[in-house]
Amino acid sequence: EAGVAQSPRYKIIEKRQSVAFWCNPISGHATLYWYQQILGQGPKLLIQFQNNGVVDDSQLPKDRFSAERLKGVDSTLKIQPAKLEDSAVYLCASSSRGVLYNEQFFGPGTRLTVL
Amino acid sequence: AQTVTQSQPEMSVQEAETVTLSCTYDTSESDYYLFWYKQPPSRQMILVIRQEAYKQQNATENRFSVNFQKAAKSFSLKISDSQLGDAAMYFCAYRSNFGNEKLTFGTGTRLTIIP
Repeated sequence: EAGVAQSPRYKIIEKRQSVAFWCNPISGHATLYWYQQILGQGPKLLIQFQNNGVVDDSQLPKDRFSAERLKGVDSTLKIQPAKLEDSAVYLCASSSRGVLYNEQFFGPGTRLTVL
Repeated sequence: AQTVTQSQPEMSVQEAETVTLSCTYDTSESDYYLFWYKQPPSRQMILVIRQEAYKQQNATENRFSVNFQKAAKSFSLKISDSQLGDAAMYFCAYRSNFGNEKLTFGTGTRLTIIP
């Protein structure tokens, strides 16, 4: 079974530029999560999708971050414009209802550096 | 809101020895899950072990076991017979069984294995 795929793995941009990250969850997983992991901290949930609907985006800085999950499969997370404090690893995870505890499976992450 | 605290930023252990990583959490809920995740330098987060709050018996997975003290809100991870491949960041995480299924992470403990 293929795992959660993310691209790119690394991205370096100047502040005020735009950037987009892509995530392909495990096949059949209805729930998709985007986490932000700042150096020295644990991951923090940015947004959660159930199929193509948003379940929780309370921690998403909506003035600059946006995310979509068209057709309930792949998802993109966009930052526009980027700030220095957005430097972090962006993790995508997916899970499937019907599993007792709905384990979340994580992708390798995208490391973003904003200069 | 739930919080998770890991008070040991770094730990080290001799190969083949036993090490315990600490985690405390704060919640007013009675039904939840607790997890330990491992994040090797490649950054792919993987689940090590989980504990359901309503189960009194401590979870065990091969060399990994937990000491779950519900009243004290403590959830420590014991790694026996430490191996070089155990070197990683370890994150304690909380998940409510109500509402969405987001994970709340601690700040992590970096474990070094000394050959």
